[in-house]
Amino acid sequence: NAGVMQNPRHLVRRRGQEARLRCSPMKGHSHVYWYRQLPEEGLKFMVYLQKENIIDESGMPKERFSAEFPKEGPSILRIQQVVRGDSAAYFCASSPGQGTLGELFFGEGSRLTVL
Amino acid sequence: QKEVEQNSGPLSVPEGAIASLNCTYSDRGSQSFFWYRQYSGKSPELIMSIYSNGDKEDGRFTAQLNKASQYVSLLIRDSQPSDSATYLCAVRPGTYKYIFGTGTRLKVLA
Repeated sequence: NAGVMQNPRHLVRRRGQEARLRCSPMKGHSHVYWYRQLPEEGLKFMVYLQKENIIDESGMPKERFSAEFPKEGPSILRIQQVVRGDSAAYFCASSPGQGTLGELFFGEGSRLTVL
Repeated sequence: QKEVEQNSGPLSVPEGAIASLNCTYSDRGSQSFFWYRQYSGKSPELIMSIYSNGDKEDGRFTAQLNKASQYVSLLIRDSQPSDSATYLCAVRPGTYKYIFGTGTRLKVLA
């Protein structure tokens, strides 16, 4: 499957635990985006990364949230000390790069439920 | 003013009719425009991209772009119940950021 791969698809955490969401971009894509979607709401930009670099994290909450895209391996969105308000669908998307008119392709999403 | 605006709907059309979905954007320098379809509980799926003024057709879908009016639309001909979904308009105002509208919910009535 050459599409954007996300795991886990569903994750349940208790308040105060940590959530780690992983994303492998589409083959040939080196740019990764994370979006959050609350029920019945739109997609909210969180962060944009290239390999080993965070380019734009203007949509990330200042505390508890972090993202990385290491040289080897998937991109990781990490949420520490989760609260009920973190319950949402988290979508990863990838594109070929900045200089292109590149289209954005989404993974299936990771649905986080905080009890 | 929101960066990308869409009517939330729902937009109800009878089967076989043309569905017209509209989107306006605020950044006049935007160059790339996209339509995504999202079924309930699923991820957004790219339907169309358009970069130049005018119409772009792909099967039953036609995207229309008017940069002077900062307006992009999606027409769905011969609408089917399977087209019932939320349609998201996305705009890329710069080199990398994609801004999404909140989506229009379409219901195609059999």
